[in-house]
Amino acid sequence: EADIYQTPRYLVIGTGKKITLECSQTMGHDKMYWYQQDPGMELHLIHYSYGVNSTEKGDLSSESTVSRIRTEHFPLTLESARPSHTSQYLCASSGPGSGGYTFGSGTRLTVV
Amino acid sequence: DQQVKQNSPSLSVQEGRISILNCDYTNSMFDYFLWYKKYPAEGPTFLISISSIKDKNEDGRFTVFLNKSAKHLSLHIVPSQPGDSAVYFCAAIAGGGADGLTFGKGTHLIIQP
Repeated sequence: EADIYQTPRYLVIGTGKKITLECSQTMGHDKMYWYQQDPGMELHLIHYSYGVNSTEKGDLSSESTVSRIRTEHFPLTLESARPSHTSQYLCASSGPGSGGYTFGSGTRLTVV
Repeated sequence: DQQVKQNSPSLSVQEGRISILNCDYTNSMFDYFLWYKKYPAEGPTFLISISSIKDKNEDGRFTVFLNKSAKHLSLHIVPSQPGDSAVYFCAAIAGGGADGLTFGKGTHLIIQP
């Protein structure tokens, strides 16, 4: 039973479209994260949040934006998708203490 | 500059033998290390972790060793099984991990029958 849900799993979209990737968790975790991964590469942190109304940019610069209006929900938005945004986007959350990170199944985004 | 390095992009091991995956890090502030397993089109799943105050942690077929002086850790899987074929990511945390995990590029482990 998954505790962190990402939708959609796969998305193919045209250049210039606005998209929102959804991420929800049922564990009551305060901390949530978005990672981006290209094939054969490491996962790069692009956004994170300590809790409601908290959002921070990660190590990798991204044109996407995030919001955290509710504890359980951490959506990522691209206002105008480009082919360079093609990647896998992984959402994660963590509870108190080190470790304890749980990842969603990811969204494979292709911009054509 | 990569802070967590996995220098072997792939590793092929015969079923039943030991698989050893290696990871090096450069940031001395890292105090907690994790290994994740990832299948294509899936999110990473947590495998095993180790605190910097320990040098070994074991969980069933999986053992992680940490050599702080060398800034090196390794994951041992024994015996290796076909279901172990996946990409394995080494990750590290500094100071509680509120700012996220730092990942290596991963090693693709292939278990040969």
